[in-house]
Amino acid sequence: GAVVSQHPSRVICKSGTSVKIECRSLDFQATTMFWYRQFPKQSLMLMATSNEGSKATYEQGVEKDKFLINHASLTLSTLTVTSAHPEDSSFYICSARPGFVSDGYTFGSGTRLTVV
Amino acid sequence: ILNVEQSPQSLHVQEGDSTNFTCSFPSSNFYALHWYRWETAKSPEALFVMTLNGDEKKKGRISATLNTKEGYSYLYIKGSQPEDSATYLCAFASGGSYIPTFGRGTSLIVHP
Repeated sequence: GAVVSQHPSRVICKSGTSVKIECRSLDFQATTMFWYRQFPKQSLMLMATSNEGSKATYEQGVEKDKFLINHASLTLSTLTVTSAHPEDSSFYICSARPGFVSDGYTFGSGTRLTVV
Repeated sequence: ILNVEQSPQSLHVQEGDSTNFTCSFPSSNFYALHWYRWETAKSPEALFVMTLNGDEKKKGRISATLNTKEGYSYLYIKGSQPEDSATYLCAFASGGSYIPTFGRGTSLIVHP
């Protein structure tokens, strides 16, 4: 089946530094990828839609200058959290739709970001 | 903001019990309803994507029903096994966006 590989799975960084999270589609081409964030006991919240070769579309309230998204190829999307602060500590996960709507979305395994 | 509610929030059952959870969503502008199973330290896995009112889908011991007119879906697990322990997410996609909005999930723990 379709696989999305997400790295790193866990990262701890100092406040003010930047962190890059990668999502790769391993056996299909993903022209669009979706980035979600989940705070404790909350639902997965869509942050942005990443489009290959064009600018990402950000959801209301998500700072595009803080959460930089690059989708330079059909198999790779990256999310960079710039100048991270403790309030950015969260669980970040990506997904893509490898085929028809009836197949659902394929998710990465997520990244737990802790900013100290 | 689309409101997708799941209940119960968590559930403990004994091995062999049958159980069910509810997902409620807006009853207008329906496009699709997704169910995912999310085991700890793994990726969410798609169980069902339902698009038609009255849809019933089944995968092994797990089945789901859909009522788009009243805005709810049920997920049933027959004869729960410890390996069914996971968080079950539902997600609603409207015709306006197509991108699913997720509920908070139901955490199921099946005790041997």
